[in-house]
Amino acid sequence: ELKVEQNPLFLSMQEGKNYTIYCNYSTTSDRLYWYRQDPGKSLESLFVLLSNGAVKQEGRLMASLDTKARLSTLHITAAVHDLSATYFCAVDMDQAGTALIFGKGTTLSVSS
Amino acid sequence: ETGVTQTPRHLVMGMTNKKSLKCEQHLGHNAMYWYKQSAKKPLELMFVYNFKEQTENNSVPSRFSPECPNSSHLFLHLHTLQPEDSALYLCASSPGQGSAYEQYFGPGTRLTVT
Repeated sequence: ELKVEQNPLFLSMQEGKNYTIYCNYSTTSDRLYWYRQDPGKSLESLFVLLSNGAVKQEGRLMASLDTKARLSTLHITAAVHDLSATYFCAVDMDQAGTALIFGKGTTLSVSS
Repeated sequence: ETGVTQTPRHLVMGMTNKKSLKCEQHLGHNAMYWYKQSAKKPLELMFVYNFKEQTENNSVPSRFSPECPNSSHLFLHLHTLQPEDSALYLCASSPGQGSAYEQYFGPGTRLTVT
């Protein structure tokens, strides 16, 4: 059974500091997605990582994928209040890529 | 409207009621999905449709009945639900079925079963 684990599940961040959240998964997969969800809102796609070593950056967020370690990281640079949200990683269920399995999400809270 | 829309946005129903959730995508996608999001749990895939054909039923109880009349519309018919079915139900679509395709999510329907 494919498991996707995120840690930490909650992260209280100070403005201006750097942080990293982790997404570990239990079986071979070459595809990983990061989504953001604001309270009461739907999921918004952030990054699509489709190969080992993939790195993508958007603003203060940078995501990377290491398929050998079965690990993706989401790095936050100089946190700002606008980044407060819940972040989900998702991995394909099987090699046929039928559907995605999501982690529990990491809730980030940025305070000044 | 653009993107993926869902109606209603909020629904309160009794355990003996019958109701339906509607999802519509305006993206020209061929695959559509239903997910359940409960508090403190990961997103759970319920159903997948590709070109109107159901390709995935993730052991969902029969009190949830999906319908996909065409590639743009997806329904979730609900009957005799239980309080534990209270959750946010999210619809998503993608250009094709498979994890190589990015999924686009609707705003969700917040369902409360009383």
